[in-house]
Amino acid sequence: IAGITQAPTSQILAAGRRMTLRCTQDMRHNAMYWYRQDLGLGLRLIHYSNTAGTTGKGEVPDGYSVSRANTDDFPLTLASAVPSQTSVYFCASSQGSNQPQHFGDGTRLSIL
Amino acid sequence: GEDVEQSLFLSVREGDSSVINCTYTDSSSTYLYWYKQEPGAGLQLLTYIFSNMDMKQDQRLTVLLNKKDKHLSLRIADTQTGDSAIYFCAETLNRDDKIIFGKGTRLHILP
Repeated sequence: IAGITQAPTSQILAAGRRMTLRCTQDMRHNAMYWYRQDLGLGLRLIHYSNTAGTTGKGEVPDGYSVSRANTDDFPLTLASAVPSQTSVYFCASSQGSNQPQHFGDGTRLSIL
Repeated sequence: GEDVEQSLFLSVREGDSSVINCTYTDSSSTYLYWYKQEPGAGLQLLTYIFSNMDMKQDQRLTVLLNKKDKHLSLRIADTQTGDSAIYFCAETLNRDDKIIFGKGTRLHILP
């Protein structure tokens, strides 16, 4: 079934550790996105990529990095995790940057 | 400024119609969306409307857009227990393709 796959589904991580959240889509969408969802704050855009080889900063990029080496994959890396990065992370993709976005099922990340 | 506002909660009796409302401040939108999020899941695109349309109907769902008042609504006819979820309103801005989400409306179904 076509869609977006995120891994892991959940993770508990010690502060200071490095962590990469994986996101893969098989819809050949050009644009991909990473959001975090926090209670009371809704969805906030971390980073995005309009096409393979390009990335851009969203609303809350600090402490996160991304890469887009190919069309299908868009990993999100926390170089040194902090407790404020405890959240649910969603990856999304769209055919074009102004097209409807389709979401993965999320990664629940807890930083202790 | 860019803002999408929704009420946080709505309770509806099973079988009645649900109407979830949304207001937005930026008039340069291209698409307006409704997403549904069930517990523990991602956001599922329910329906969307182009900014030059007034209405879109899809089975039990009706979307109404009032551009003059910058108001979007989602009507769910014959509300079922499976409709219990959080519903997010969102718009894509024409000038930078950014998508702005509301904070979501939690729909609670009463028996």
